[in-house]
Order: sequence, then structure tokens, then C-alpha cells
Amino acid sequence: EAGVAQSPRYKIIEKRQSVAFWCNPISGHATLYWYQQILGQSPKLLIQFQNNGVVDDSQLPKDRFSAERLKGVDSTLKIQPAKLEDSAVYLCASSQGLPGGTDTQYFGPGTRLTVL
Amino acid sequence: AQSVTQLGSHVSVSEGALVLLRCNYSSSVPPYLFWYVQYPNQGLQLLLKYTTGATLVKGINGFEAEFKKSETSFHLTKPSAHMSDAAEYFCAVSRGQGGKLIFGQGTELSVKP
Repeated sequence: EAGVAQSPRYKIIEKRQSVAFWCNPISGHATLYWYQQILGQSPKLLIQFQNNGVVDDSQLPKDRFSAERLKGVDSTLKIQPAKLEDSAVYLCASSQGLPGGTDTQYFGPGTRLTVL
Repeated sequence: AQSVTQLGSHVSVSEGALVLLRCNYSSSVPPYLFWYVQYPNQGLQLLLKYTTGATLVKGINGFEAEFKKSETSFHLTKPSAHMSDAAEYFCAVSRGQGGKLIFGQGTELSVKP
């Protein structure tokens, strides 16, 4: 079974530029998550999709971050314009979407973003 | 509100020694608890999880954890450390029907030869 795929693995941009990250979840997984992990910290949820609908985006900085999950499969996370504090690893995870919170989330390798 | 506290941001053990990584949770309802491991430049990998049933949970790579409701703890142990166990370990609690994970601060495990 293929795991969660993310691209690119690394990205370096200058502040005020835009950037996009792509995630392909495990086949058949209904739930998709985007986390931000700043160096030395734990992952923080940015947005959660159930199929192609948003379940939780309370921690997403909506003035600069956007995300979509077309057709309930792949997802794209965009930052425009980027700030220095956006430098982090962006992790995508997916799960089957089982109710009750017992689901196991499977993580991709992440995209390391450096904003100069 | 649910939260997780990991005691010790860095733990160092000798190869072959016992590994003990501490995790305490606060939750108003029975929690679902997870341990993940993160190797450098990689994503998170599930070691084990507790949902219901047996309180001693066995995971991959020889790790296990015991859910103790009276102590609100879910400590991770391994009888004998290996050099390949050096990594960052995160304890997490699942919140609500949507399954959002709340992570602890992480513990970096170093293994000395």
C-alpha cells in the first residue's frame, strides 16, 4: 500500500512570494489533514478535510493561507504572500475517517519551507 | 479541553538500557492516546495507540505503553534501547469525533553507544 505522498520535499522562497504544496493521501482515505511543524515544536493542525468538505480550519491564517481538496482526493495548500515566520515543515496526513476519534493518521514525509 | 504534557524535552540512555518516555494527559472524557516517532527529515510514524480494552498496548519496534487512568498517564517504554531508536517522540490525544490530534511538546531520545 502506497503511503501519503507530498511534493515538493524542499522549497526556498523570498518573503512576499507565493508557494503551493501538494498532497496525495492513501487511496480510499476520507480524511485529510495539513499540519505546520515549526523547527523544534510539535505539529499544529492547520486544516482538516472530510472528503472534499472542511471540518476544521480554525487555526488556518486565512488572510494568507488557503487549501482545497478537489474531488475529495488530492489536496493543495497555498501561502500568499509568505512571511518569515511561515518557515516550517508542512505535513500532510490522511486517515480512513472512522468516527469517534480512534482513527490512525498516516503522515507523509513533509515539505520543508524556508522563507528568506 | 484536552492537553498532553511530555516530561523531559530530551532523554539520553545508553544502548541496551531501559527507555522510559513520560506522557500525562488531561481530558474530561476517556481519551484516545497515541505515540508517534519522527526521524530526522521524515514524517511521523505511529508506534502504538490506546482506544479501549487492554491497558497495556504493544507497538512496533519493541515499544509498549500502559494507560493508567488513575495517574492520567500513558508512558512509553522499551526494555533495551538500540542506536536506531534515536529520534523525536510525540505523545498525542485525539479530540472529538473529527479525530484532531493534540500533540505534546515532544521528547528527543538520544542513545549512547
